Amino acid sequence: SQELEQSPQSLIVQEGKNLTINCTSSKTLYGLYWYKQKYGEGLIFLMMLQKGGEEKSHEKITAKLDEKKQQSSLHITASQPSHAGIYLCGADTRYAGNMLTFGGGTRLMVKP
Amino acid sequence: SQTIHQWPATLVQPVGSPLSLECTVEGTSNPNLYWYRQAAGRGLQLLFYSVGIGQISSEVPQNLSASRPQDRQFILSSKKLLLSDSGFYLCAWKRGEGNQPQHFGDGTRLSIL
Repeated sequence: SQELEQSPQSLIVQEGKNLTINCTSSKTLYGLYWYKQKYGEGLIFLMMLQKGGEEKSHEKITAKLDEKKQQSSLHITASQPSHAGIYLCGADTRYAGNMLTFGGGTRLMVKP
Repeated sequence: SQTIHQWPATLVQPVGSPLSLECTVEGTSNPNLYWYRQAAGRGLQLLFYSVGIGQISSEVPQNLSASRPQDRQFILSSKKLLLSDSGFYLCAWKRGEGNQPQHFGDGTRLSIL
């Protein structure tokens, strides 16, 4: 089965600083999804990556998928308190029902 | 546009009582539907998924069950809740086959006393 490992598990940064969250897969990634979750709420879809070397940006968040399609990174530039939350990566398992397997999440706190 | 609704938002139930959580999707047809559980401080665990009416697949053996009586309705049930059933339950949908993101509801926080 495919496993996703996220690092770091938690992160505290000063407002305005840049940060990177990593997601490493035990198998080739055919579809990698980044989500953000605020405590007690549902997951908000951020970005989807499919091709090796692909990079997407939304506002100050950039996600990349490496050429070998086994690792993805999420980079936040000039972090703000609104970026705080839990970031999860999810991967297509290619099993029936198009299930996703998720990493354990990275808890981000941004100090004003 | 598509929307997904889950209710109730919070629920406190005694051990041994029954459970029914409901999830409905609007603005799309024949979606794949999913139930996840998120325990405190842990990742998402897929419980059930459905690719069509009456079609339910279970990923984790437990005392929970799921049903899909209508195309855009997904129900999570239990006849007798256990303490270990406490957690945050999330419903999600995605468009049919292929690489498409799943979209999540706001979740139900279930506390078992």
